Amino acid sequence: NAGVTQTPKFRVLKTGQSMTLLCAQDMNHEYMYWYRQDPGMGLRLIHYSVGEGTTAKGEVPDGYNVSRLKKQNFLLGLESAAPSQTSVYFCASSLASGGYNEQFFGPGTRLTVL
Amino acid sequence: GENVEQHPSTLSVQEGDSAVIKCTYSDSASNYFPWYKQELGKRPQLIIDIRSNVGEKKDQRIAVTLNKTAKHFSLHITETQPEDSAVYFCAAPLSGGYQKVTFGTGTKLQVIP
Repeated sequence: NAGVTQTPKFRVLKTGQSMTLLCAQDMNHEYMYWYRQDPGMGLRLIHYSVGEGTTAKGEVPDGYNVSRLKKQNFLLGLESAAPSQTSVYFCASSLASGGYNEQFFGPGTRLTVL
Repeated sequence: GENVEQHPSTLSVQEGDSAVIKCTYSDSASNYFPWYKQELGKRPQLIIDIRSNVGEKKDQRIAVTLNKTAKHFSLHITETQPEDSAVYFCAAPLSGGYQKVTFGTGTKLQVIP
């Protein structure tokens, strides 16, 4: 049982380049989330998904797109990277039933945009 | 949307002493308050949570208290140990459901041996 995994672990981009971050979970969780973590700002929600084929905006969605074609995968895309998107990105997942549940986080992706 | 303020941003304690971290929230309808611990270079992990139908919850050396009237909740760590050194985040529900939460800005706890 791998839990939540993220690919890649590190990436350096030049301004204007694009990339996709992959999140995968094997816990059959319905909900999945993408956060970014910046020093002194905690974790901020970028986009989330409540099920296969559905996505929605979080607190800081600009400059990002997401897709959830399969229940176990949640992809985060940067179409034209900017230095302001330098951050650590965490994916998380949780069960849908029984009210609020624990969010399980992936190991993170450290992205640097030059 | 929900606003969560967390204090202090850094905290140093001697091993064996207690540590207290406090968070305030703005939405009086909030009913779920988790705490996550993030060790250096690692992922955040849930350590304890409390729902609004109780005022306190304990798990060994960790406790969380909730004051709904004042809209604040606190994390208490007793008999601190070096392995408690980490960044701690509180969180509270965001409006719109689907278990979205907003996180505080974090408290870096250092336990000095």
